[in-house]
Amino acid sequence: EPEVTQTPSHQVTQMGQEVILRCVPISNHLYFYWYRQILGQKVEFLVSFYNNEISEKSEIFDDQFSVERPDGSNFTLKIRSTKLEDSAMYFCASSTTGGAGGTDTQYFGPGTRLTVL
Amino acid sequence: GQNIDQPTEMTATEGAIVQINCTYQTSGFNGLFWYQQHAGEAPTFLSYNVLDGLEEKGRFSSFLSRSKGYSYLLLKELQMKDSASYLCGRGGNNRLAFGKGNQVVVIP
Repeated sequence: EPEVTQTPSHQVTQMGQEVILRCVPISNHLYFYWYRQILGQKVEFLVSFYNNEISEKSEIFDDQFSVERPDGSNFTLKIRSTKLEDSAMYFCASSTTGGAGGTDTQYFGPGTRLTVL
Repeated sequence: GQNIDQPTEMTATEGAIVQINCTYQTSGFNGLFWYQQHAGEAPTFLSYNVLDGLEEKGRFSSFLSRSKGYSYLLLKELQMKDSASYLCGRGGNNRLAFGKGNQVVVIP
């Protein structure tokens, strides 16, 4: 069964450094998403992406964040200058379509645990 | 906002039935999703409701009332592996807005 994959599984970085988190969505999916989950808290939406552009973004997704689909398979999240509060599990998800306002089922990858020191 | 409210934790014995409730803000609503999340793992899709009523998928059923902004997930014949957090996610605006989740602990 096709799965969303993410690399690395763990990333440790120093505050102020740039990190790139990578995702390979399910191959026939067209909508891609990033979510984060701070330890002990809820899963929070960051951004949705379709047709090589951002569809929606949350207030968390500020100028320090960017997303890119550099080729036909990868979808990346870049954090330009990491802060301590960026420490979280970052989940990538994908769906076949976005549906009318996002009704299509989103399938999540295993996550990247980011630790900022 | 897209306020999603879920109670926090419950304990139940193997073989029992539990109901997990979720209320959500109705404006802009476009589908209600239930996910299971084991500690340290990704959310796994369980069920989806867009119309009022009950959707049954094996041991899991989910109910929706759009007018009340209310959904529940019913877990039947509980197994130890069902110990997890259950997330209610409101669809709309090309995103899922999750509640904090309800932790279910299954005991022998």
